[in-house]
Amino acid sequence: GESVGLHLPTLSVQEGDNSIINCAYSNSASDYFIWYKQESGKGPQFIIDIRSNMDKRQGQRVTVLLNKTVKHLSLQIAATQPGDSAVYFCAETTNYGGSQGNLIFGKGTKLSVKP
Amino acid sequence: NAGVTQTPKFQVLKTGQSMTLQCAQDMNHNSMYWYRQDPGMGLRLIYYSASEGTTDKGEVPNGYNVSRLNKREFSLRLESAAPSQTSVYFCASSFSPGRNTEAFFGQGTRLTVV
Repeated sequence: GESVGLHLPTLSVQEGDNSIINCAYSNSASDYFIWYKQESGKGPQFIIDIRSNMDKRQGQRVTVLLNKTVKHLSLQIAATQPGDSAVYFCAETTNYGGSQGNLIFGKGTKLSVKP
Repeated sequence: NAGVTQTPKFQVLKTGQSMTLQCAQDMNHNSMYWYRQDPGMGLRLIYYSASEGTTDKGEVPNGYNVSRLNKREFSLRLESAAPSQTSVYFCASSFSPGRNTEAFFGQGTRLTVV
């Protein structure tokens, strides 16, 4: 619920603007990355993923960029809507295609969309 | 198609009490997971089951036990609850290795230990 968002970095954007959420990952051997969205009172929901052999992947209104040189991942949301308000988590693993047993989640960023 | 279902949604326990959190999935996934989420933190893996009949410790297993009852169900037990176990608990499931590792999460169980 709301307690998820306490003490998290917060990004506040105007409805219709583009949002960019950043994530620094820790392991240079990570080969698979996922972005999750968590709305208040709900479980995380898969948004988009990317493998380490790619540097960009696009979905519907979302784009993930991967910079392996500086171990940085970003999620871009186009034309941000009030329904995009949530906490966004990046996750990394060194075991693409394997069990999620070693998926490491970041602490999350809270996106707040102003109407 | 219900996805991942967790029960209960809310629970208050006294220190030392025991309880079992239930999780069931109807997506024919092989792998299931239990996470805890604390304020300002990402999800931390407690235990997981890569396939029916196997369980493994995650990052924070102490104070918990799990049972993979069958392919659909994966339960988490607190034998003697402690205030440090106050958290929101999420169950998740995913396809078996070799396929998309995207996980599907339940709605969570908010547990308070007093």
